Parts: sequence; structure tokens; C-alpha cells
Amino acid sequence: AQKITQTQPGMFVQEKEAVTLDCTYDTSDPSYGLFWYKQPSSGEMIFLIYQGSYDQQNATEGRYSLNFQKARKSANLVISASQLGDSAMYFCALLNYGQNFVFGPGTRLSVLP
Amino acid sequence: EPEVTQTPSHQVTQMGQEVILRCVPISNHLYFYWYRQILGQKVEFLVSFYNNEISEKSEIFDDQFSVERPDGSNFTLKIRSTKLEDSAMYFCASRGTGEAFFGQGTRLTVV
Repeated sequence: AQKITQTQPGMFVQEKEAVTLDCTYDTSDPSYGLFWYKQPSSGEMIFLIYQGSYDQQNATEGRYSLNFQKARKSANLVISASQLGDSAMYFCALLNYGQNFVFGPGTRLSVLP
Repeated sequence: EPEVTQTPSHQVTQMGQEVILRCVPISNHLYFYWYRQILGQKVEFLVSFYNNEISEKSEIFDDQFSVERPDGSNFTLKIRSTKLEDSAMYFCASRGTGEAFFGQGTRLTVV
């Protein structure tokens, strides 16, 4: 069975500092994708970054990078130079191809001025 | 950047009424999903759709739910007889070979 764990229900970070949001997953399928989404208070689900299980390099998208450690089954999101607008709920999701997304419970990030 | 569009953004309906939620996925994507999120709770899978057929559905997706792709582009989720507990944010998602994008959601309130 697929499972996603996000152990940090809430995180605080000072503006302009980097923050790491943890995500561990469990799957027996060798082919899968890992996704991070941002959900601001307005409710929409914003795609941030994607990592395929066979990708050799860690994914990066602007200030977002994914620290993918396949052997440990972890896919932590790193946000560099935090901004006040980064305050939101962050979801990690696992997709086994041919199946559906499984979402973690989320981490609420608060960026402090 | 590619965009998934959902309409309406908000819908208020009386219990027992039918609602249709609409989604325009990204044009060259082949996999489509509906999810819902009750306020403050986890994101729950409803149904996935591939090649004009349902590929998987959850226990939540009972007989009161249906999904269609009526014209080859739009993608709809119908709830036949709404219940109070159907109040939630409903998300449509579209996936190609890698990245997957969600729409902005439809906030459904059943009164």
C-alpha cells in the first residue's frame, strides 16, 4: 500500500532563511512520482515540484528544490530565501503510475518577518 | 504555465439537489483525477479517468457520484443528491507524463 508521512504539522521560519519540509513515503512499486503542492489560505492547490523515481538528479524549480533520498524513501522540500508569501499549507504526494495520488497530511509553514 | 480550469469557483446548493462541477484539463494530458478536501482535513481521492474510462475509484465515489467527459475536452463530476457532508473543496487534476496540475478548486457548500 502507498503511504505518505509528513511529520511536521507546523513549521516556522524567519524571512529570507531556508526551510526544509519533511516527507517520507512507502511504496513497493519501482516506478513512481513525488510531488509537492502549496495550498494558500485561498484554497487552491499550486504545483511546486516533481521528482520521478528514476530521475538521477534532484529536482529544482527556482527557490524550491527536492532532496530526494531514494534508499531512505524521503523527498524533502527545501525552500530557500523564504518570503512572507510562502506562508501556506504544503502537501507532499506520491503517485504510483497507473494509480492515483496519495497525499500526506500537510505541513503548515509560517514565515515570520 | 499550463492551467487546469474549474468552474464554478463556488457553489451553494440545497441538500438533495444535483450539482455538476466542471473542469477543463490541459489539452495533451491523458490522466485526470477528482479529489476533495473537507475544510481543514486531508485531501481525499475520488476517481481517476484515463482513455475516456474510469480507471480507479475510492469508497467515497458511490452511486451518487458520476464522472463524464462529454465533449472530449471538458470533464465533469456530478453529485446526484447532495448531502451536508459533501460540503468540501473539489479539485480536478490533469497529468501528462510527469508533472500534474490541479485546478483552483470548486468550493461546494450544501445547506
